[in-house]
Amino acid sequence: GAGVSQSPSNKVTEKGKDVELRCDPISGHTALYWYRQSLGQGLEFLIYFQGNSAPDKSGLPSDRFSAERTGGSVSTLTIQRTQQEDSAVYLCASSKRGVTGELFFGEGSRLTVL
Amino acid sequence: AQKVTQAQTEISVVEKEDVTLDCVYETRDTTYYLFWYKQPPSGELVFLIRRNSFDEQNEISGRYSWNFQKSTSSFNFTITASQVVDSAVYFCALSEAMNTGFQKLVFGTGTRLLVSP
Repeated sequence: GAGVSQSPSNKVTEKGKDVELRCDPISGHTALYWYRQSLGQGLEFLIYFQGNSAPDKSGLPSDRFSAERTGGSVSTLTIQRTQQEDSAVYLCASSKRGVTGELFFGEGSRLTVL
Repeated sequence: AQKVTQAQTEISVVEKEDVTLDCVYETRDTTYYLFWYKQPPSGELVFLIRRNSFDEQNEISGRYSWNFQKSTSSFNFTITASQVVDSAVYFCALSEAMNTGFQKLVFGTGTRLLVSP
C-alpha cells in the first residue's frame, strides 16, 4: 500500500487477555518503530527495528510487551495479560535510511482494556 | 537524557490570528535533530519539518515558520493567519544523531490547537 497500515484500528479486550497488533510498513522502508500514545501524554517510544539488526527494545514498559518483525517487513506487537493501564493508541511508523529523518505514521490501533 | 517540553496543553484562537507553539528541549548531545509533526483529527501524524543542531536559520514555509534558538534550547512554531484546517495536535520531537542513518524520536506531550471560524 501507499502508507503504513495498522490493524485492527480498534480493539476492545478484557483484562488478562493477550492482544496482537499488526503493522505493515511502507514498502522499502527498513526501519520500523512502535510508539504508544496515551490520553494527555506524548508519544512514548516502545521499540525500534532497523533492517536485520537486533531491535532496540529499551522503551518496552514491561516483559508483557514484545514485538517481532518477520522478513524485515510486517511487525506484530504483542501484549500479554493486558492491564487497564495498557489502554492507549499504539502507533507504528516506518522510515528509510536517509537524511530527512522523516517517520511515516499509520493511523494507529486503539486498544481499550476493560 | 533527552526531553521535550511543550508547556501549552491547548490553545484556542480565532481564524486569521497568528499563533506560536512553544517547544523547549534538553539534550547532552552536540549533534541532534528537531522535528515538528501535526496530528489532525484523523489521527495520522504528518511530518512538518526537521532541523539539525548546526542550522539555526529560521525557516518559513507558506504560513508556517520555525524559530530555532540554541541559546534558549527552543524550537518554536508559528502559524500566521491561522485557518480552521490548522486545528490539530502539534508535536515537537528531538532525536539524537545516529550513525545508522535512522532517527529515534523523543516526543513532547503535544499542543492542541483549536482554530474557530
